[in-house]
Amino acid sequence: ETGVTQSPTHLIKTRGQQVTLRCSSQSGHNTVSWYQQALGQGPQFIFQYYREEENGRGNFPPRFSGLQFPNYSSELNVNALELDDSALYLCASSFDPVGGYTFGSGTRLTVV
Amino acid sequence: GQQVMQIPQYQHVQEGEDFTTYCNSSTTLSNIQWYKQRPGGHPVFLIQLVKSGEVKKQKRLTFQFGEAKKNSSLHITATQTTDVGTYFCARNNAGNMLTFGGGTRLMVKP
Repeated sequence: ETGVTQSPTHLIKTRGQQVTLRCSSQSGHNTVSWYQQALGQGPQFIFQYYREEENGRGNFPPRFSGLQFPNYSSELNVNALELDDSALYLCASSFDPVGGYTFGSGTRLTVV
Repeated sequence: GQQVMQIPQYQHVQEGEDFTTYCNSSTTLSNIQWYKQRPGGHPVFLIQLVKSGEVKKQKRLTFQFGEAKKNSSLHITATQTTDVGTYFCARNNAGNMLTFGGGTRLMVKP
């Protein structure tokens, strides 16, 4: 089973609200990335953190923000939720900066 | 942007038949990763290809990286119902940030 855990598994929010999603990576995995996966599509890169610093960002607006903590946990925050934010949000971590990622099971966010 | 295109989008096969999915890029890839996502699940890392012309095998799965490093393929021999899922290729951009293809959804009829 995956060594990356995400919470909550499912969430329903109202348009305009704010949400925080959490991820706990495997010990020693210094790199954590967040992806958004809409139904029937491939995951879209949101941003990446390396040793608690953001070191890359995809084509997502500033209302998507994140944090990485020293204990290998991280957060994804989304402000002013929109209906199109409804998706599966995946956290992925890696030990090797050029290797494959271990994905968490994801948080299914529904915005109504 | 630096996209990767995958074909086909969907593939129905009879159990025991072979299956291939293709991944293409208009620009040279530093490396390519492959993931499998079961229905309702999350992506699971299968392999990373780095060298031009590289071929790697995992049991019934064969992965190839093109000579020009602009395309890759995943071939499954004698599919089984456990192979059902969506197979994604992902290009590895600077800093190990992934751009995923749209995926190929494999359905296997027993």
